[in-house]
This record gives sequence, C-alpha cells and structure tokens, in this order.
Amino acid sequence: GESVGLHLPTLSVQEGDNSIINCAYSNSASDYFIWYKQESGKGPQFIIDIRSNMDKRQGQRVTVLLNKTVKHLSLQIAATQPGDSAVYFCAENKSQRGNQFYFGTGTSLTVIP
Amino acid sequence: EAEVAQSPRYKITEKSQAVAFWCDPISGHATLYWYRQILGQGPELLVQFQDESVVDDSQLPKDRFSAERLKGVDSTLKIQPAELGDSAMYLCASSTPDRSSYEQYFGPGTRLTVT
Repeated sequence: GESVGLHLPTLSVQEGDNSIINCAYSNSASDYFIWYKQESGKGPQFIIDIRSNMDKRQGQRVTVLLNKTVKHLSLQIAATQPGDSAVYFCAENKSQRGNQFYFGTGTSLTVIP
Repeated sequence: EAEVAQSPRYKITEKSQAVAFWCDPISGHATLYWYRQILGQGPELLVQFQDESVVDDSQLPKDRFSAERLKGVDSTLKIQPAELGDSAMYLCASSTPDRSSYEQYFGPGTRLTVT
C-alpha cells in the first residue's frame, strides 16, 4: 500500500514559537491531503486541507505547504499555544477513492509553557 | 455542533469473547467509516459504508470482524472472537457526499482492551 509517513515522531516547542510538522507521501497520484489533530483520548479533528493543484493554503494560525516535486507536506503553526499539544497526522487520499484516506504515523507536538 | 457518537467509550473483554461497538454518525452523512488505531500509529481503515452498502471492506478481518449499517444511519462493528491483538482504539467517522471537501468527522472512539 501507499506510504504516508512523518519525518519526526516528536517535537517540542516553546510557547509562542512557530511549529513545523513534516510529512512525506509516496503516491504521486494522490490529489488531496488533510492534516488532523488528535488530542489524548479523542478522535482526530480536521485542521486544514489542500488539493494537489495548490502549493499553499492558510487557515487560522496554520499554513499547509505542498511540494509535489519531492512529495512532501508541512504544517506550520504560528505562535504555538499549550492547547496545540497533540498528535498531528497527515492523511493522503487515493484519487480513485476520493473520500478514502491513508493516515501517517503521526507527530507528537509538546508545547512548553 | 453535531458530533459523531460512539459507545461504549471503553471496553475490557477477555479473549475469545464477543464484543460490539456502536456508532451514530452526524445526521445526513451518507458515508460512514470504521477505523482501528493502534497506540502510536495512525488510523487504519477497516470498512467504509455509503448509506447501507459496503463500499470497501478489504482491510476488515472477515473471519472475526463484521460490520453492518442496516438502515443507512447508525452502524455496529462486531468482533467474535476477540484476540489479544485486537486491543486498540476503534474510531468511527462520517462525511457528506460533498465533493468540495472530503473532511471526515471522527467520534471519540472506543478503547478496547483484550485480556
């Protein structure tokens, strides 16, 4: 199957700093990506999505960058807050099954007050 | 805000026993998914429903797992008999058929421990 993985399993940042979480994907046919946040004991929560015809998309305090050449995604969180502490997953769809996704392993983000 | 409901939240069972999980998706969401999430890993799709029909159950261990969504609304996932390796979080998610977004809304999950 396709491989969606994250470069760093854990990340610690100081409150107020910016965070960058990376994700590599292997299926060049994937055309839609989602970042999810999962807090302890809860289900994943949608953060932001991006289609393959875009390089960048911004939300509230978050930005997703897509580099199709090297099959790489990143999630940037501005002014990281303690409430951002969670595990972050990137999910990659299969264009043949638009609403079906493969999830990466996840990166655990810890924000230090 | 509408949410996906799951019950129970936690379940401890002995191996070889039967166990069942229930999911009620967001009203109007035609697509329903069951995922298994092993600690430290991302969710893995087990089965996908479109209304009452199974769209994909290729990753469902059919010798022991079954899933149904008889009326196209709520759904049940069953394991019989449970094995130690089934210990995991079982997540249910739902989505609309809106092709402008494939966002899936997840429930809180059922944490299964098999002893």
